[in-house]
Amino acid sequence: DAKTTQPPSMDCAEGRAANLPCNHSTISGNEYVYWYRQIHSQGPQYIIHGLKNNETNEMASLIITEDRKSSTLILPHATLRDTAVYYCIVRATSGSRLTFGEGTQLTVNP
Amino acid sequence: ETGVTQSPTHLIKTRGQQVTLRCSSQSGHNTVSWYQQALGQGPQFIFQYYREEENGRGNFPPRFSGLQFPNYSSELNVNALELDDSALYLCASSFTSGSSYNEQFFGPGTRLTVL
Repeated sequence: DAKTTQPPSMDCAEGRAANLPCNHSTISGNEYVYWYRQIHSQGPQYIIHGLKNNETNEMASLIITEDRKSSTLILPHATLRDTAVYYCIVRATSGSRLTFGEGTQLTVNP
Repeated sequence: ETGVTQSPTHLIKTRGQQVTLRCSSQSGHNTVSWYQQALGQGPQFIFQYYREEENGRGNFPPRFSGLQFPNYSSELNVNALELDDSALYLCASSFTSGSSYNEQFFGPGTRLTVL
């Protein structure tokens, strides 16, 4: 699975959009981009995933660049409960494991 | 629909002992993966079980072993516990169809402390 690079930490004001970047320059054609988040001492929570088209669900939007070498997770209206570590993971559908990096600690401030 | 559950929530063991952790998968899921998360780090893949067999393993020694049962629940066994085994152990379930692996849903974890 391709390696990802994320900033270690980010801050966001409550009610504003949080835009979390991820670089995955070695991504292969059959690899998806997955996003999970982990609130302190809880299990990781699945957020969204995509291959090459932008995706949106009730939690977030995922924007993948045309060359697929980077992506951005967007939380449109961040709340204090969105404070968590966000992990960007690249994984092939034929791959059984998730390879977690260090993630981005997002802190939403009141 | 019941989510992924794990037991126990917390566990304290001493070095050299053995431990068994349990996981019940989400309804409709047939695959269970186990991860170890040390303090301040991301989860690390231990192994996965599908059709009651190990289906992929991370860089963990043989004293880490597992089982999957016909109802898709799973156990993680760790023998000869070491201090470095202290961590949050996470179980994730998913649905596998052929060679396609879908998103994994995690349980709350078991916090293991080895003294």
